[in-house]
Amino acid sequence: GESVGLHLPTLSVQEGDNSIINCAYSNSASDYFIWYKQESGKGPQFIIDIRSNMDKRQGQRVTVLLNKTVKHLSLQIAATQPGDSAVYFCAEMGTYKYIFGTGTRLKVLA
Amino acid sequence: NAGVTQTPKFQVLKTGQSMTLQCAQDMNHNSMYWYRQDPGMGLRLIYYSASEGTTDKGEVPNGYNVSRLNKREFSLRLESAAPSQTSVYFCASSEGYTGELFFGEGSRLTVL
Repeated sequence: GESVGLHLPTLSVQEGDNSIINCAYSNSASDYFIWYKQESGKGPQFIIDIRSNMDKRQGQRVTVLLNKTVKHLSLQIAATQPGDSAVYFCAEMGTYKYIFGTGTRLKVLA
Repeated sequence: NAGVTQTPKFQVLKTGQSMTLQCAQDMNHNSMYWYRQDPGMGLRLIYYSASEGTTDKGEVPNGYNVSRLNKREFSLRLESAAPSQTSVYFCASSEGYTGELFFGEGSRLTVL
């Protein structure tokens, strides 16, 4: 069945360093992927998206990479800041609309 | 611009009680969704409404009903609450059938 999983449940990064959050998906037919950020006590917020006809997409301090060969998605955050501390979810367009992964908690160390 | 507004933010119920979670969006979006979020699990879709007048089951619809009251409002009803329905519920909306989802702040429900 469809599933979206994350390699690491928690990622600790020094402030100023780059962060890389990984995600694996199982549905090779998925053609649209999104990364969301969820701060404590709040709803998820859109970060960046990518369609399957692209390998890379850049936003402000964030880059999403898509490797369709190994069904892998990653989110790179440049110069990580304290405000980046949150849980990050990847999601793919599946049968029931978006299928969300379980999330990775990013901790930014001062 | 409020975006997606959910009420109530917190609710405690006893097993067997009923309640309705309300959701309203002011972005003129066509599609609306109800998700639940449990510890260690991703967001799971309960029901969605692709457009006004239509509703469809998601991944985990059992024990829930929904009403798309108009284009702005989409409510989720628990007819007979069970402890397994203890969760954080999120309402979301999107302009079309695909595209960015805009989420509300969540409603934390505890069923004793």
